[in-house]
Amino acid sequence: QVTLKESGPALVKPTQTLTLTCTFSGFSLSTSGMRASWIRQPPGKALEWLARIDWDDDKFYSTSLKTRLTISKDTSKNQVVLTMTNMDPVDTATYYCARYGSGDAFDIWGQGTMVTVSS
Amino acid sequence: QSVLTQPPSASGTPGQRVTISCSGSSSNIGSNTVNWYQQLPGTAPKLLIYSNNQRPSGVPDRFSGSKSGTSASLAISGLQSEDEADYYCAAWDDSLNGKVFGGGTKLTVL
Repeated sequence: QVTLKESGPALVKPTQTLTLTCTFSGFSLSTSGMRASWIRQPPGKALEWLARIDWDDDKFYSTSLKTRLTISKDTSKNQVVLTMTNMDPVDTATYYCARYGSGDAFDIWGQGTMVTVSS
Repeated sequence: QSVLTQPPSASGTPGQRVTISCSGSSSNIGSNTVNWYQQLPGTAPKLLIYSNNQRPSGVPDRFSGSKSGTSASLAISGLQSEDEADYYCAAWDDSLNGKVFGGGTKLTVL
């Protein structure tokens, strides 16, 4: 059974750096073809893709957020980490991690973690 | 402003068939496969359709997807009250080198 779970601070202050961890089970990011992504959703708004990391450590970022994002993986711990610098109140959102499955689709999602940016 | 364009809302009565459109461009839908996600209130999105028209195991065959050129559609037949949710389309964009989502469509079952 594949599961993913996001963890991180519920509250960060403006200008701080956010670090989120996705801990997963049921698959390995060292297996050829495996990929994982981070996606966020501000309250009442649409989904927004943030970043992707592949089994071979290839990384892809949202064009609009590229300068603020870093995605990494720790295959020994089955974790994917996302850091986002210079946080702003507009970054308040639920942050999800998801696994890529068939058809380049996010087949399994974590439950999400809500992050509020406020002083 | 989302890269993929969806109608903000759709509605239907139980038993009806509804369709939700998703419009893109040659760099996304026109050259890559489309996925659809269902998000029930207060929950994480769930994969509904992948590779334009394929259903993951467990998704009822009332849900179907199609793609033509730079547009895609999700059809739901035999509408049920539990289908009331937000629906999102998504595709890889070769110009942006990233995944793009539609703005979401809120489906109301009247």
